[in-house]
Amino acid sequence: DGGITQSPKYLFRKEGQNVTLSCEQNLNHDAMYWYRQDPGQGLRLIYYSQIVNDFQKGDIAEGYSVSREKKESFPLTVTSAQKNPTAFYLCASSISGSGGDEQFFGPGTRLTVL
Amino acid sequence: AQKITQTQPGMFVQEKEAVTLDCTYDTSDPSYGLFWYKQPSSGEMIFLIYQGSYDQQNATEGRYSLNFQKARKSANLVISASQLGDSAMYFCAMREHYNAGNNRKLIWGLGTSLGVNP
Repeated sequence: DGGITQSPKYLFRKEGQNVTLSCEQNLNHDAMYWYRQDPGQGLRLIYYSQIVNDFQKGDIAEGYSVSREKKESFPLTVTSAQKNPTAFYLCASSISGSGGDEQFFGPGTRLTVL
Repeated sequence: AQKITQTQPGMFVQEKEAVTLDCTYDTSDPSYGLFWYKQPSSGEMIFLIYQGSYDQQNATEGRYSLNFQKARKSANLVISASQLGDSAMYFCAMREHYNAGNNRKLIWGLGTSLGVNP
């Protein structure tokens, strides 16, 4: 079955630690995205990538980093510079990132900073 | 300024009845797309329906239809014959095709929580 997987489902981090959230897709999609969701809010874009070895900052990129070395994978690192990292993180992909194609989402990772 | 407005934070509907979830948007882009997603308590975002700004017909997907009123800048989601499994958060989102340049981001509303009563 094609889809997007994210791991882990729940992640706990101590203050000052970097953590990496995994996102893998086998849909052969070119574009991938990372969103953050806080309670009572919509999704906010952290980073997106339209093609391998290329990515752009979204609206809230500070304190985050990404890489796109393979088409299937788009890991997100939450660094210690992110002031308030506790949130629900969603990874998505789309065929090409052009106008009408929908984004498909993974199940999400809930990050809690202790 | 809020580009996507969902005015109903929460609502309830009786099972088997139809329900309309409101979404208004603001854009100067002549070309844009509108999306509705469902987010159950598990957290995953599920794509429901898409409407392009130039589409002549209102989009339909099974029990979901989109009441697109371009002049009013509204894109309301209609769910017919509600089921218990429809209980979830529903998000409206928009992508601008020209204003955003190469930025492919979706602009999201704050969502509407729908509860279906048996």
